[in-house]
Amino acid sequence: AIQLTQSPSSLSASVGDRVTITCRASQGISSALAWYQQKPGKAPKLLIYDASSLESGVPSRFSGSGSGTDFTLTISSLQPEDFATYYCQQFNSYPPSITFGQGTRLEIK
Amino acid sequence: QLQLQESGPGLVKPSETLSLTCTVSGGSISSSSYYWGWIRQPPGKGLEWIGSIYYSGSTYYNPSLKSRVTISVDTSKNQFSLKLSSVTAADTAVYYCARLRQWLVGYWGQGTLVTVSS
Repeated sequence: AIQLTQSPSSLSASVGDRVTITCRASQGISSALAWYQQKPGKAPKLLIYDASSLESGVPSRFSGSGSGTDFTLTISSLQPEDFATYYCQQFNSYPPSITFGQGTRLEIK
Repeated sequence: QLQLQESGPGLVKPSETLSLTCTVSGGSISSSSYYWGWIRQPPGKGLEWIGSIYYSGSTYYNPSLKSRVTISVDTSKNQFSLKLSSVTAADTAVYYCARLRQWLVGYWGQGTLVTVSS
């Protein structure tokens, strides 16, 4: 099974900072990677799909890049509402399976 | 507006079967565009996909849970269900039902906490 490893597991940043979170797949997954944001007590929200496509309604300060095994989520200028936990997710077509990374907790410095 | 609502017991005894139902409103579960699925999150931990189902009944499951999981769909009630057998304390989690666009989780229920304890 394909494993996803996110780094860092947690980070502290300030409003206005540029932040990058990394997700590494244990084998190549082309661009079949998505990013989600989860706030405490809430269900996750889809931000990015196909590695770099922005989901409708998601602010443009969020962006994704990468292909193969290495992917990044970048927040260009942190806003107060962005402090949350972020998860990457991949899909493997054979056998069909979905895997999440372990999460990255983004905290206010 | 699409809404998904989980329902079922919040407390299940070890070795018994966990059963949850997701009721879909504001949209048809028979849409050919979507899969429906279950995802769980143990307290303070990350997300784990359990499995997914198409309205036709075709399913795919997390290999690590496959021997204990059954997901079914009832199109007449616009519902789909999860059964997880032989539960242990490790199955304690918030269980989310969800609508998947291909493999992307676009809509989530609010989640329901299921505790496994005697």
